[in-house]
Amino acid sequence: AQSVTQLGSHVSVSEGALVLLRCNYSSSVPPYLFWYVQYPNQGLQLLLKYTSAATLVKGINGFEAEFKKSETSFHLTKPSAHMSDAAEYFCAVILYNNNDMRFGAGTRLTVKP
Amino acid sequence: DARVTQTPRDKVTEMGQEVTMRCQPILGHNTVFWYRQTMMQGLELLAYFRNRAPLDDSGMPKDRFSAEMPDATLATLKIQPSEPRDSAVYFCASGWDRATEAFFGQGTRLTVV
Repeated sequence: AQSVTQLGSHVSVSEGALVLLRCNYSSSVPPYLFWYVQYPNQGLQLLLKYTSAATLVKGINGFEAEFKKSETSFHLTKPSAHMSDAAEYFCAVILYNNNDMRFGAGTRLTVKP
Repeated sequence: DARVTQTPRDKVTEMGQEVTMRCQPILGHNTVFWYRQTMMQGLELLAYFRNRAPLDDSGMPKDRFSAEMPDATLATLKIQPSEPRDSAVYFCASGWDRATEAFFGQGTRLTVV
């Protein structure tokens, strides 16, 4: 069973527009949740993480994500997109009864001038 | 500047040859992950270790892949014999514990011809 689902393999926004990347998890117990960013020919870099503290998590580069248990979601947002935000974004989960980190399929963000 | 180091960065090899990829986790980290990234499958977890012991390698083709941690500073992923379908980017990541983020290396781009 898929532990984490990212809706939309490609998202395109204009520079200055709101960025919204969607992530839903499948677990009856809230897991640990992460967002990573990958630039071309690079490894993955952590943007932010949720580990059962505050439901609104602020990360690097102006990104934030809100954990919503009722919706089993952890969507990533940024109020104003920059050209430098163009990259692939991955949502990841560590389930409560497991030890490994599983990734979603990724969402490629394109930022238009 | 602590980082996960992977070698080699790029490897081109002929089908049937043995390939060994190496990873030096961040000093003090007790968890090591191996992932494979392809366009078709995205990020797949191959194996992970906790305190050098393999916890799960169910994502790894057992007949040709093997993963080991000879000591706390070295993790290896070996493919023997290699096949063209093994062409991918292989990432190593390390962390302290299950609830914390994983720090990724730059990856090894493997091409099997």
